[in-house]
Amino acid sequence: AQSVTQPDIHITVSEGASLELRCNYSYGATPYLFWYVQSPGQGLQLLLKYFSGDTLVQGIKGFEAEFKRSQSSFNLRKPSVHWSDAAEYFCAVDGGYNKLIFGAGTRLAVHP
Amino acid sequence: NAGVTQTPKFQVLKTGQSMTLQCAQDMNHEYMSWYRQDPGMGLRLIHYSVGAGITDQGEVPNGYNVSRSTTEDFPLRLLSAAPSQTSVYFCASSPTHDGNTEAFFGQGTRLTVV
Repeated sequence: AQSVTQPDIHITVSEGASLELRCNYSYGATPYLFWYVQSPGQGLQLLLKYFSGDTLVQGIKGFEAEFKRSQSSFNLRKPSVHWSDAAEYFCAVDGGYNKLIFGAGTRLAVHP
Repeated sequence: NAGVTQTPKFQVLKTGQSMTLQCAQDMNHEYMSWYRQDPGMGLRLIHYSVGAGITDQGEVPNGYNVSRSTTEDFPLRLLSAAPSQTSVYFCASSPTHDGNTEAFFGQGTRLTVV
């Protein structure tokens, strides 16, 4: 069955530190992969997406993600975290016909 | 540019009551969908529509109905609310039903069933 796993429920980093959020997927074909961010009380905003081609994709707000087929992973990274990055982050895979399958989310806290 | 608009933002229902969550998009998107978000479970697909007059079930459709009479609107109906339907509901739209397009989300409706 198609699924997305985000192993880390909560992550705390210091402002200015680097960040990596993990995402593993289970999908039979070449996946379409997404990272969304949700600020408190808000809807979801797309950070970046992978459809094909270059396995390192750049997104908004200084985020990037790398698709690794051999590891079935699509980890999100940022070199230097800002306090405004505190939010919940969701990895998702397209399960066919735009039916998104989401991971459980990772809540990021940023210490000053 | 309004994007995807959901109303209401908050709602409290008593068990057994019915209500409709409204969703409208002004981007002329073909594809619309409803998700529910529960703690520790991410978002799960309830129903979706690939165009006016066409709807289908997602992962968790029980207790919900949808219709798509126009391209712009995609209301979600709770026929007889249950406490298990307490959740945050998100409506989303995409230009097409092809997987390689971005989904645009509304701000959500927080529903509590008592």
